[in-house]
Amino acid sequence: KQEVTQIPAALSVPEGENLVLNCSFTDSAIYNLQWFRQDPGKGLTSLLLIQSSQREQTSGRLNASLDKSSGRSTLYIAASQPGDSATYLCAALDRGSTLGRLYFGRGTQLTVWP
Amino acid sequence: DTGVSQDPRHKITKRGQNVTFRCDPISEHNRLYWYRQTLGQGPEFLTYFQNEAQLEKSRLLSDRFSAERPKGSFSTLEIQRTEQGDSAMYLCASSPYRGGNEKLFFGSGTQLSVL
Repeated sequence: KQEVTQIPAALSVPEGENLVLNCSFTDSAIYNLQWFRQDPGKGLTSLLLIQSSQREQTSGRLNASLDKSSGRSTLYIAASQPGDSATYLCAALDRGSTLGRLYFGRGTQLTVWP
Repeated sequence: DTGVSQDPRHKITKRGQNVTFRCDPISEHNRLYWYRQTLGQGPEFLTYFQNEAQLEKSRLLSDRFSAERPKGSFSTLEIQRTEQGDSAMYLCASSPYRGGNEKLFFGSGTQLSVL
């Protein structure tokens, strides 16, 4: 069974800092790796999706990398802003029979203070 | 609004009662997913549909849980004889299946509290 771990569990930084959030997974036979953002009491918003054949994806101030051989992904947030405060979750899609089940980590709760 | 819609947003019930949740996916999306999330945890997969076919179910989906997606449009998740351990946020998501590398679009969830 795929297990996804995220470190750190919580992070508090001043505005303007560059951040790295870490995600590790136990089974390297993934189809893709996805990063989500979740605001309190809300659903999830997809941020980036990295296909198994890709090494990284970028969207604005966000950059996600994938190293399947080591079972790791990182989310890099440049020039953090208070509006970035949220929980960030990574999820792995396994090469299962129907490609429908995502395995999520517990998330990193990020607080960016002005 | 073309997002994923879930109803109700909050549900409080007494142990032993039955509850039903509804999810309306983005109209052109053929895949619909149900996840459950408890406080401080990541979402856990329950089940998903492609059109009207239920393709996979988690072991978390005990015989008290049933999900349907008639006609491949909206979906319902029913929990019979609720237990306190069923208290959680129930999240619905949809996606347009084109091979597996599609982003999921989540609704705001239904928060269930079982007293």
